[in-house]
Amino acid sequence: DVKVTQSSRYLVKRTGEKVFLECVQDMDHENMFWYRQDPGLGLRLIYFSYDVKMKEKGDIPEGYSVSREKKERFSLILESASTNQTSMYLCASSSGLAGGSTDTQYFGPGTRLTVL
Amino acid sequence: GDSVTQMEGPVTLSEEAFLTINCTYTATGYPSLFWYVQYPGEGLQLLLKATKADDKGSNKGFEATYRKETTSFHLEKGSVQVSDSAVYFCALTLTTNAGKSTFGDGTTLTVKP
Repeated sequence: DVKVTQSSRYLVKRTGEKVFLECVQDMDHENMFWYRQDPGLGLRLIYFSYDVKMKEKGDIPEGYSVSREKKERFSLILESASTNQTSMYLCASSSGLAGGSTDTQYFGPGTRLTVL
Repeated sequence: GDSVTQMEGPVTLSEEAFLTINCTYTATGYPSLFWYVQYPGEGLQLLLKATKADDKGSNKGFEATYRKETTSFHLEKGSVQVSDSAVYFCALTLTTNAGKSTFGDGTTLTVKP
């Protein structure tokens, strides 16, 4: 079974802190994703990575950056956390083979971040 | 741009009732279509998918048929159980989009005994 793990289930940070959210997948997938999930807004893509050191902005990249130094690990960074970044953050991965259009995305359990 | 519109929730049903959650899409091209389910406190997981027109995806008693003529992918189950209480997301992926998916807003289903 594919496993996607996230470093924390719950996190509380203060405004202005630098925050790292880590995600690891164990299936040698090419693609990795960071989403945030807010009530009434569904899932919104923050960043996408299709290879090591390759990244692409999603729909809401402002205030976030990412790092992918190894294939299995994709980190989301909040350079200076703000209260409007309080949310559920979901990481996902997919194989990326054959263009990726039929790929299933495999999700981690999520990190609920609260910024005070 | 590409979009997915789901039936608004929340939906509350009694056990053994019939379930339909509507999903329609707009896409430039021929997408693959997915239903994901999110149980309380968990991430999303694939429920079923269909990759071309007229395909039917099925899993755990749920079904959805890819209807190109109506651009729809409605989720159905003949007899729901309390354990089906979850949030359901419809999604599409296009070959031209390098594996990125567009998700609907999610529909919350509560099944009462």
